[in-house]
Amino acid sequence: NAGVTQTPKFQVLKTGQSMTLQCAQDMNHNSMYWYRQDPGMGLRLIYYSASEGTTDKGEVPNGYNVSRLNKREFSLRLESAAPSQTSVYFCASSERRGDQPQHFGDGTRLSIL
Amino acid sequence: GENVEQHPSTLSVQEGDSAVIKCTYSDSASNYFPWYKQELGKGPQLIIDIRSNVGEKKDQRIAVTLNKTAKHFSLHITETQPEDSAVYFCAATPYGNNRLAFGKGNQVVVIP
Repeated sequence: NAGVTQTPKFQVLKTGQSMTLQCAQDMNHNSMYWYRQDPGMGLRLIYYSASEGTTDKGEVPNGYNVSRLNKREFSLRLESAAPSQTSVYFCASSERRGDQPQHFGDGTRLSIL
Repeated sequence: GENVEQHPSTLSVQEGDSAVIKCTYSDSASNYFPWYKQELGKGPQLIIDIRSNVGEKKDQRIAVTLNKTAKHFSLHITETQPEDSAVYFCAATPYGNNRLAFGKGNQVVVIP
C-alpha cells in the first residue's frame, strides 16, 4: 500500500520549459491537493480537486494548471516555468474534504534556472 | 481567509524534557486543527488532530489542546526523544472547507 506517489522526485528545468508533475493515490480518496513549500513560507495550496471531474484554485494558482485524470491521479502542469516556481511540490489526498486527515507524498524538488 | 501563526520558530529541548508549540488562528469558524510532522526529505505526516467540540486530545507522548475563546491551540510532546527532531506544522480550517491553512512551521531540535 504505497499511499501517495509523486513523480519525478527531482527535476531541473530551464526558464520557459514546460513540465507535468504526476501524483497518484491508492487509498480511494475523493479529494486531492497540490501544495508548494518554500523556505519560511510553510505549505501553500496551489489547486485542489474535491472529487473526480472538479478542480478549484487555491491560494497561489498563477502559472499552474491541473488535471484530475481519474479518481487516482491528479497532475500539476507548469506551462512556461519561471525561477519563482523553484520549490518543493507536494501532492496530498483526503477521503472527502480538506477538514479531514490529508496524506502527503514525499514531494518533487523542482529547480528552474 | 484563515491565517495561522506558529511560535516559536525554532525550539531546542534536552532529551527527556517536554516541548510545547503554540499556534494562533484568525477565523472563528475554524473547527479542524491538525498537526503535521515533517522529517528531512519527506512529506508532512499527520500526527494528531482535534476538532472544536473537544478541548484536549492525547496519543501516547503527544497531546493537543484547544482554546476556542483565545483562538489558539498547542502541541505538547512529553519525554522528548531524538526521533522527535523535525519540523512541525499546525493548520486550521472551517468545517467542510477544502482549504487547509498551514502555519509556517517550527523546527524542533532534541539534544541528546
